[in-house]
Amino acid sequence: QKEVEQDPGPLSVPEGAIVSLNCTYSNSAFQYFMWYRQYSRKGPELLMYTYSSGNKEDGRFTAQVDKSSKYISLFIRDSQPSDSATYLCAINTGANSKLTFGKGITLSVRP
Amino acid sequence: ETGVTQSPTHLIKTRGQQVTLRCSSQSGHNTVSWYQQALGQGPQFIFQYYREEENGRGNFPPRFSGLQFPNYSSELNVNALELDDSALYLCASSPGGLAGVSGELFFGEGSRLTVL
Repeated sequence: QKEVEQDPGPLSVPEGAIVSLNCTYSNSAFQYFMWYRQYSRKGPELLMYTYSSGNKEDGRFTAQVDKSSKYISLFIRDSQPSDSATYLCAINTGANSKLTFGKGITLSVRP
Repeated sequence: ETGVTQSPTHLIKTRGQQVTLRCSSQSGHNTVSWYQQALGQGPQFIFQYYREEENGRGNFPPRFSGLQFPNYSSELNVNALELDDSALYLCASSPGGLAGVSGELFFGEGSRLTVL
């Protein structure tokens, strides 16, 4: 079983749609949960991070963590064409900077 | 404030050769980590350097080695290149301490290595 499993893609939605991206993880030692966004031919950039169960909101983005189910989600409201990118979930135990990434899902928002 | 810069951006090598990739960390960041991203996959942790010492290593063979310099810049060296080493190599820096531990990494744009 992989440490992090991410829902497969690609995903194509119309502009304005609500997008739900999901990952599951297997090791309860993971304490920090991140979502990175990666545009084509660029390095990943941190979108959101959290270290506790519950919701964290930042503008149109909401990160949700359920530690009891080992499930993390990213919701994008009012999606825009500029949101078209690959989204990577990442988890960390806190011991060092080793991030364990999901495979990534490519999102395309159609105008 | 400059971000993380990597060089070269693209390179092509032949199986069995050796390659050195370079990274300048973001100003004020003392921790550098390297990741390998194969096409269609998420990045995989290679190793991390903190204050010139290796501090954590992923599941990569010894032919992957690195250095960190007093100015916190870093090199990734790969010997005896194999076809499967073809990937995007990402360098990430963090300020260390809690910020680094929480996973707030700042990535460069990567060096794309093709092994023929």
